[in-house]
Amino acid sequence: DGGITQSPKYLFRKEGQNVTLSCEQNLNHDAMYWYRQDPGQGLRLIYYSQIVNDFQKGDIAEGYSVSREKKESFPLTVTSAQKNPTAFYLCASSDGAQLYEQYFGPGTRLTVT
Amino acid sequence: QKEVEQNSGPLSVPEGAIASLNCTYSDRGSQSFFWYRQYSGKSPELIMSIYSNGDKEDGRFTAQLNKASQYVSLLIRDSQPSDSATYLCAVKGTGGFKTIFGAGTRLFVKA
Repeated sequence: DGGITQSPKYLFRKEGQNVTLSCEQNLNHDAMYWYRQDPGQGLRLIYYSQIVNDFQKGDIAEGYSVSREKKESFPLTVTSAQKNPTAFYLCASSDGAQLYEQYFGPGTRLTVT
Repeated sequence: QKEVEQNSGPLSVPEGAIASLNCTYSDRGSQSFFWYRQYSGKSPELIMSIYSNGDKEDGRFTAQLNKASQYVSLLIRDSQPSDSATYLCAVKGTGGFKTIFGAGTRLFVKA
């Protein structure tokens, strides 16, 4: 089955700890994205990557970091510098520059206490 | 700041009725428009894409685009309780890969 996987589904961390969220896709998509969703709000773009070894900051990149060493993988690290990290994190991918249709993984719900 | 606006709802319709969801956007040069359905606690699922003015139909769903008015809508015919979800409008603006998402409209279909 082709798709996007995110792990873990739920993640709990103590304040001050860095945490890495996994995102893998086997759709052979060039572009990958990380969004954050807070209750009752739309999706906000954290980072996106159009190609391996290249990525750009989105609207709320502060306190986050990413890497894109392989086409299939786009992990997100939530650092201790992120002021309000508790949220629903969504990874998405799209097929290059033609359609921009984004397909989402199941998400990771991060709770930091 | 480029924006996508949706009425947050909730929009409540009886089973079998037509649900009409609306969205406006600020970037006049936008070319690609999407509707996603998001069930509570789940990730968004792409249900419709539209790129040119007019209507696009897919089963019970019809997307309508009017670029002159910067307006895109989604009609759901013969609404079912399983259609109860939040519907996100998304717009890809000019330049780059960024897509802007609206905050969504909550739809309730009453049996």
